[in-house]
Amino acid sequence: EAGVAQSPRYKIIEKRQSVAFWCNPISGHATLYWYQQILGQGPKLLIQFQNNGVVDDSQLPKDRFSAERLKGVDSTLKIQPAKLEDSAVYLCASSFEGTYGYTFGSGTRLTVV
Amino acid sequence: DAKTTQPPSMDCAEGRAANLPCNHSTISGNEYVYWYRQIHSQGPQYIIHGLKNNETNEMASLIITEDRKSSTLILPHATLRDTAVYYCIVRATNNAGNMLTFGGGTRLMVKP
Repeated sequence: EAGVAQSPRYKIIEKRQSVAFWCNPISGHATLYWYQQILGQGPKLLIQFQNNGVVDDSQLPKDRFSAERLKGVDSTLKIQPAKLEDSAVYLCASSFEGTYGYTFGSGTRLTVV
Repeated sequence: DAKTTQPPSMDCAEGRAANLPCNHSTISGNEYVYWYRQIHSQGPQYIIHGLKNNETNEMASLIITEDRKSSTLILPHATLRDTAVYYCIVRATNNAGNMLTFGGGTRLMVKP
């Protein structure tokens, strides 16, 4: 089966600019997650979707971050405006009915300068 | 979900067994132990999980102590490609969120 697709692979922006990341989960996976991984740390959950509804967004900095999952398939994570501390790898993962099998994408490495 | 404690780094000689420990002394009865690994520049990859009994698959073996307060991931014949950060996570599968909460993990370096 095809894996979780993410784009772009790398992105460099200046602070205060906006940026968007795209994720296409594995077909049939109802649950989709966005994680932020700062260099040297483990991934931190930002938001979880079940189909096109939000299950948990308690760790999402809502003043600047937003995410949507239209039609319960693809998802977009946006940052506006970006800060230097947003430099990180943004990982998307999906799972089937929330079971053990998380599949992660390769991530988008964001550098804010 | 219960928290885990892992050593920050470990070395292993190529071809030898790599034994990665994890402490989870506050684990609840319905929480499973999961192991993921993250190779450089890739997303985390599922390895194995278990509840009480020891588990084995094509990638690794998982040994869980009888009191379930600690576990060990065993890579029986480590190769250079096993160099990665290994995360031990405890999670209740009946958790409504079913989310994985990652700690700092153990950075395993397999040396020739």
